Amino acid sequence: DTAVSQTPKYLVTQMGNDKSIKCEQNLGHDTMYWYKQDSKKFLKIMFSYNNKELIINETVPNRFSPKSPDKAHLNLHINSLELGDSAVYFCASTRLAGGNTGELFFGEGSRLTVL
Amino acid sequence: LAKTTQPISMDSYEGQEVNITCSHNNIATNDYITWYQQFPSQGPRFIIQGYKTKVTNEVASLFIPADRKSSTLSLPRVSLSDTAVYYCLVGTLMNTGGFKTIFGAGTRLFVKA
Repeated sequence: DTAVSQTPKYLVTQMGNDKSIKCEQNLGHDTMYWYKQDSKKFLKIMFSYNNKELIINETVPNRFSPKSPDKAHLNLHINSLELGDSAVYFCASTRLAGGNTGELFFGEGSRLTVL
Repeated sequence: LAKTTQPISMDSYEGQEVNITCSHNNIATNDYITWYQQFPSQGPRFIIQGYKTKVTNEVASLFIPADRKSSTLSLPRVSLSDTAVYYCLVGTLMNTGGFKTIFGAGTRLFVKA
Protein backbone atom coordinates (compact mmCIF):
# COMPACT_ATOMS: atom_id res chain seq x y z
CA ASP A 1 0.00 0.00 0.00
CA THR A 2 2.13 2.86 -1.35
CA ALA A 3 2.02 6.02 0.76
CA VAL A 4 2.96 8.49 -2.00
CA SER A 5 2.42 7.22 -5.51
CA GLN A 6 3.32 8.87 -8.79
CA THR A 7 2.35 8.00 -12.33
CA PRO A 8 3.86 7.45 -14.76
CA LYS A 9 7.19 6.17 -13.47
CA TYR A 10 8.83 6.71 -16.85
CA LEU A 11 7.90 9.17 -19.56
CA VAL A 12 9.68 9.62 -22.89
CA THR A 13 8.42 12.32 -25.19
CA GLN A 14 9.38 14.74 -27.93
CA MET A 15 10.26 18.40 -27.53
CA GLY A 16 7.25 20.64 -27.76
CA ASN A 17 4.78 18.11 -26.39
CA ASP A 18 2.61 18.60 -23.31
CA LYS A 19 2.65 16.00 -20.55
CA SER A 20 1.30 15.45 -17.04
CA ILE A 21 2.53 13.61 -13.97
CA LYS A 22 0.08 12.62 -11.27
CA CYS A 23 0.66 12.21 -7.55
CA GLU A 24 -1.52 10.82 -4.80
CA GLN A 25 -0.86 10.39 -1.09
CA ASN A 26 -2.88 8.25 1.31
CA LEU A 27 -1.20 9.49 4.48
CA GLY A 28 -3.78 12.13 5.33
CA HIS A 29 -1.18 14.87 4.93
CA ASP A 30 -2.13 18.49 4.34
CA THR A 31 0.87 19.60 2.30
CA MET A 32 2.27 18.31 -0.96
CA TYR A 33 5.33 19.22 -3.04
CA TRP A 34 6.97 18.79 -6.40
CA TYR A 35 10.75 18.51 -6.54
CA LYS A 36 13.03 18.25 -9.55
CA GLN A 37 16.21 16.15 -9.41
CA ASP A 38 18.61 16.82 -12.25
CA SER A 39 21.39 14.63 -13.61
CA LYS A 40 23.77 15.91 -10.93
CA LYS A 41 21.33 14.72 -8.26
CA PHE A 42 20.47 18.19 -7.00
CA LEU A 43 16.97 18.22 -5.49
CA LYS A 44 15.18 21.51 -6.03
CA ILE A 45 11.79 22.44 -4.70
CA MET A 46 9.37 23.60 -7.37
CA PHE A 47 5.94 23.97 -5.79
CA SER A 48 4.12 23.33 -2.56
CA TYR A 49 0.42 23.16 -1.81
CA ASN A 50 -1.11 23.34 1.67
CA ASN A 51 -4.76 22.34 1.88
CA LYS A 52 -5.09 22.78 -1.89
CA GLU A 53 -3.61 26.28 -1.85
CA LEU A 54 -0.36 27.13 -3.60
CA ILE A 55 2.05 28.36 -0.92
CA ILE A 56 5.48 27.88 -2.48
CA ASN A 57 6.21 28.72 -6.08
CA GLU A 58 9.90 28.79 -6.89
CA THR A 59 11.38 30.33 -10.01
CA VAL A 60 9.93 27.73 -12.30
CA PRO A 61 8.99 28.51 -15.94
CA ASN A 62 5.27 29.10 -16.34
CA ARG A 63 5.18 26.12 -18.70
CA PHE A 64 4.93 24.14 -15.45
CA SER A 65 1.48 24.28 -13.90
CA PRO A 66 0.61 22.36 -10.75
CA LYS A 67 -2.96 21.52 -9.85
CA SER A 68 -4.31 20.22 -6.58
CA PRO A 69 -7.92 19.00 -6.92
CA ASP A 70 -7.93 17.92 -3.26
CA LYS A 71 -5.51 17.50 -0.36
CA ALA A 72 -4.55 14.00 -1.45
CA HIS A 73 -3.61 14.83 -5.03
CA LEU A 74 -1.10 17.12 -6.68
CA ASN A 75 -0.58 16.92 -10.41
CA LEU A 76 2.08 18.56 -12.55
CA HIS A 77 1.37 19.61 -16.11
CA ILE A 78 4.21 20.68 -18.37
CA ASN A 79 3.60 22.51 -21.65
CA SER A 80 5.95 22.79 -24.61
CA LEU A 81 8.54 20.43 -23.21
CA GLU A 82 12.22 21.32 -23.65
CA LEU A 83 15.36 19.21 -23.50
CA GLY A 84 16.29 20.82 -20.18
CA ASP A 85 13.11 19.51 -18.59
CA SER A 86 14.59 16.02 -18.63
CA ALA A 87 14.93 15.02 -14.97
CA VAL A 88 13.37 12.92 -12.26
CA TYR A 89 10.37 14.63 -10.68
CA PHE A 90 9.53 13.71 -7.12
CA CYS A 91 6.28 14.27 -5.36
CA ALA A 92 6.37 14.55 -1.57
CA SER A 93 3.91 15.13 1.23
CA THR A 94 3.98 16.13 4.86
CA ARG A 95 1.72 17.15 7.71
CA LEU A 96 2.25 20.71 8.86
CA ALA A 97 -0.86 21.17 11.00
CA GLY A 98 -0.16 21.25 14.72
CA GLY A 99 3.30 22.73 14.31
CA ASN A 100 4.92 19.66 12.79
CA THR A 101 8.27 20.42 11.21
CA GLY A 102 7.80 18.82 7.90
CA GLU A 103 9.16 15.28 7.68
CA LEU A 104 8.79 14.68 3.96
CA PHE A 105 7.49 11.45 2.49
CA PHE A 106 8.60 11.05 -1.13
CA GLY A 107 7.19 9.10 -4.01
CA GLU A 108 9.35 6.85 -6.17
CA GLY A 109 9.89 9.53 -8.79
CA SER A 110 8.87 10.02 -12.41
CA ARG A 111 11.74 10.00 -14.88
CA LEU A 112 10.99 12.37 -17.74
CA THR A 113 13.13 12.16 -20.88
CA VAL A 114 12.64 14.78 -23.57
CA LEU A 115 14.07 13.91 -26.99
CA LEU B 1 17.28 29.91 3.56
CA ALA B 2 20.70 28.60 4.48
CA LYS B 3 22.73 26.97 1.75
CA THR B 4 24.32 23.70 2.81
CA THR B 5 27.71 22.21 2.02
CA GLN B 6 28.63 18.58 2.53
CA PRO B 7 31.38 16.24 1.26
CA ILE B 8 30.75 14.80 -2.17
CA SER B 9 31.64 11.26 -1.19
CA MET B 10 32.88 9.06 1.64
CA ASP B 11 34.07 5.48 1.89
CA SER B 12 33.73 3.23 4.89
CA TYR B 13 33.88 -0.42 5.90
CA GLU B 14 31.17 -2.58 7.36
CA GLY B 15 30.87 -2.25 11.12
CA GLN B 16 32.44 1.20 11.30
CA GLU B 17 30.81 4.36 12.56
CA VAL B 18 30.35 6.98 9.85
CA ASN B 19 30.07 10.69 10.52
CA ILE B 20 28.94 13.04 7.76
CA THR B 21 29.18 16.75 8.46
CA CYS B 22 27.13 19.45 6.80
CA SER B 23 27.87 23.18 6.95
CA HIS B 24 25.03 25.70 7.00
CA ASN B 25 26.70 28.95 8.04
CA ASN B 26 23.69 31.15 7.31
CA ILE B 27 21.12 29.10 9.19
CA ALA B 28 18.27 31.20 10.56
CA THR B 29 16.45 31.01 13.87
CA ASN B 30 13.42 29.28 12.38
CA ASP B 31 15.38 26.69 10.40
CA TYR B 32 15.41 22.97 11.16
CA ILE B 33 18.06 20.51 10.05
CA THR B 34 16.99 17.25 8.49
CA TRP B 35 18.87 14.36 6.90
CA TYR B 36 17.55 12.08 4.18
CA GLN B 37 18.84 8.89 2.59
CA GLN B 38 18.36 8.09 -1.07
CA PHE B 39 18.95 4.80 -2.88
CA PRO B 40 19.16 4.64 -6.70
CA SER B 41 15.78 4.88 -8.42
CA GLN B 42 13.99 5.68 -5.16
CA GLY B 43 12.76 8.80 -3.46
CA PRO B 44 14.64 10.23 -0.48
CA ARG B 45 13.74 8.75 2.89
CA PHE B 46 13.73 10.65 6.19
CA ILE B 47 16.46 9.69 8.65
CA ILE B 48 16.49 12.26 11.44
CA GLN B 49 15.67 15.87 12.23
CA GLY B 50 16.92 18.30 14.85
CA TYR B 51 17.01 21.92 15.90
CA LYS B 52 19.88 21.98 18.40
CA THR B 53 22.06 19.74 20.60
CA LYS B 54 21.74 16.01 20.01
CA VAL B 55 18.96 13.88 18.65
CA THR B 56 19.05 10.09 18.48
CA ASN B 57 16.70 7.56 16.96
CA GLU B 58 16.91 3.88 16.12
CA VAL B 59 19.05 4.40 13.03
CA ALA B 60 21.20 7.49 13.57
CA SER B 61 22.27 10.38 15.76
CA LEU B 62 22.39 14.04 14.84
CA PHE B 63 24.81 16.38 16.56
CA ILE B 64 24.23 20.13 16.29
CA PRO B 65 26.63 22.53 18.04
CA ALA B 66 25.38 25.58 19.90
CA ASP B 67 25.95 27.96 16.98
CA ARG B 68 23.99 25.59 14.66
CA LYS B 69 26.27 26.43 11.74
CA SER B 70 26.98 22.78 11.12
CA SER B 71 25.51 19.40 11.88
CA THR B 72 26.89 15.87 11.90
CA LEU B 73 24.95 12.77 11.01
CA SER B 74 26.35 9.72 12.77
CA LEU B 75 25.56 6.23 11.49
CA PRO B 76 26.65 3.53 13.96
CA ARG B 77 28.10 0.28 12.59
CA VAL B 78 27.25 0.70 8.93
CA SER B 79 26.44 -2.25 6.70
CA LEU B 80 26.62 -2.72 2.93
CA SER B 81 22.96 -1.73 2.67
CA ASP B 82 23.81 1.74 3.99
CA THR B 83 25.50 2.56 0.68
CA ALA B 84 23.43 5.50 -0.53
CA VAL B 85 23.40 9.25 -0.98
CA TYR B 86 22.81 11.24 2.21
CA TYR B 87 21.29 14.70 1.96
CA CYS B 88 21.50 17.46 4.51
CA LEU B 89 18.48 19.71 4.36
CA VAL B 90 17.67 23.03 5.99
CA GLY B 91 14.00 23.84 6.18
CA THR B 92 11.95 26.76 7.42
CA LEU B 93 8.38 26.77 8.67
CA MET B 94 6.92 29.75 6.84
CA ASN B 95 4.40 32.19 8.26
CA THR B 96 2.26 31.74 5.18
CA GLY B 97 2.23 28.00 5.70
CA GLY B 98 4.51 25.46 4.18
CA PHE B 99 7.95 24.14 4.93
CA LYS B 100 10.45 25.57 2.50
CA THR B 101 13.50 23.43 1.96
CA ILE B 102 16.95 23.58 0.47
CA PHE B 103 18.67 20.27 -0.08
CA GLY B 104 22.44 19.96 -0.09
CA ALA B 105 24.24 18.33 -3.01
CA GLY B 106 24.38 15.05 -1.13
CA THR B 107 27.18 12.82 0.15
CA ARG B 108 27.63 9.53 -1.63
CA LEU B 109 28.55 6.95 1.03
CA PHE B 110 30.07 3.72 -0.18
CA VAL B 111 30.34 0.93 2.38
CA LYS B 112 32.82 -1.81 1.58
CA ALA B 113 32.97 -5.35 2.93
